[in-house]
Amino acid sequence: ETGVTQSPTHLIKTRGQQVTLRCSSQSGHNTVSWYQQALGQGPQFIFQYYREEENGRGNFPPRFSGLQFPNYSSELNVNALELDDSALYLCASSPGVGGFFQETQYFGPGTRLLVL
Amino acid sequence: EDQVTQSPEALRLQEGESSSLNCSYTVSGLRGLFWYRQDPGKGPEFLFTLYSAGEEKEKERLKATLTKKESFLHITAPKPEDSATYLCAVQAGSGYALNFGKGTSLLVTP
Repeated sequence: ETGVTQSPTHLIKTRGQQVTLRCSSQSGHNTVSWYQQALGQGPQFIFQYYREEENGRGNFPPRFSGLQFPNYSSELNVNALELDDSALYLCASSPGVGGFFQETQYFGPGTRLLVL
Repeated sequence: EDQVTQSPEALRLQEGESSSLNCSYTVSGLRGLFWYRQDPGKGPEFLFTLYSAGEEKEKERLKATLTKKESFLHITAPKPEDSATYLCAVQAGSGYALNFGKGTSLLVTP
């Protein structure tokens, strides 16, 4: 069974640029959630996708957007990068209907983004 | 607003010295409380899910317990390889998100 994978592992961008991060969910999982983890903090929920639709969103501005594909993989896009966007971006997948059941979320290794 | 507070922020133990980590929460309609372990620069690794007060789960040297206001992660006779940050998260109400605490950084020395 393949776990959650993310690419790239590291990324350096400059302020104002755009970035796309990618995630492949664990086999059999149809729900993907994205989190931002600043240094020394716990992960913060960005949004969740289920069946290619956004299924819940945290307190992040619209320049954070996403997609989910028919194979349940997902992308996180961030436009107009700011210095504070520097963080570890985590993708998590889970089985079942998005959010309603107490399903456990399994995390990938993350993408470390540095904005200069 | 839902709140999750973990204590202590950092804990240093000698190998074999048992201790407990605390996660206190204030939420409406708890659906699940989750414990994760995170090694530096890596994604969180799932440890336990607890659903209702009084529930306990064990895995090797770790035991998680839940009350109506807090959860404890008990570490019995820890080894250096147990060194990591331990994260607590709650899922509540009709929301989809995991709401995390800031974590407890555990260092176990030989």
